[in-house]
Amino acid sequence: AQSVTQPDIHITVSEGASLELRCNYSYGATPYLFWYVQSPGQGLQLLLKYFSGDTLVQGIKGFEAEFKRSQSSFNLRKPSVHWSDAAEYFCAVGGRPPGTYKYIFGTGTRLKVLA
Amino acid sequence: AAGVIQSPRHLIKEKRETATLKCYPIPRHDTVYWYQQGPGQDPQFLISFYEKMQSDKGSIPDRFSAQQFSDYHSELNMSSLELGDSALYFCASSFPSGGQETQYFGPGTRLLVL
Repeated sequence: AQSVTQPDIHITVSEGASLELRCNYSYGATPYLFWYVQSPGQGLQLLLKYFSGDTLVQGIKGFEAEFKRSQSSFNLRKPSVHWSDAAEYFCAVGGRPPGTYKYIFGTGTRLKVLA
Repeated sequence: AAGVIQSPRHLIKEKRETATLKCYPIPRHDTVYWYQQGPGQDPQFLISFYEKMQSDKGSIPDRFSAQQFSDYHSELNMSSLELGDSALYFCASSFPSGGQETQYFGPGTRLLVL
């Protein structure tokens, strides 16, 4: 069955420190992969996505993610965290045609940033 | 740029009442998805529509129904509401891109059932 695992429920980093949020997936083929960010009481904003090609993808707000097929991972990184990055981050797997396009989300990682 | 619009943003209902949530996709997007996010939970897929036809169905209770109209907006109808239906309901829309679809999410409707 398809699934997404985000091993870290909470992560706390100091402002200016680097960040890596982990995401592992289980899927029959190479999935489409996404990272979304959700601020408190807000909707889901797309940070970046991977469909194919270059395994290192750049997103908005200085985020990047690397797809590693051998590890079934799609970890999100940022070299220097800002206080405004405090939010909940969701990794999601999207289906490929001819199958379903629905997303399966991980349980999320809540990021706290210390001043 | 235009985004997905959901209305209402907040809704309070009593048990056993009905609720209707509306979603207006981004212009030219023809696919709509509904997700339910319980408190502290990840979003769970409910149902989706493509070109006004149901395209996929997830863990949507039989008390819920949905449809997509000719202008591509969608409505989620929820009857016999239960306390456990209290959640944030997201709508997302997408545009066919040769199979590489990206879903764009609305701000959500927060439903509280008392």
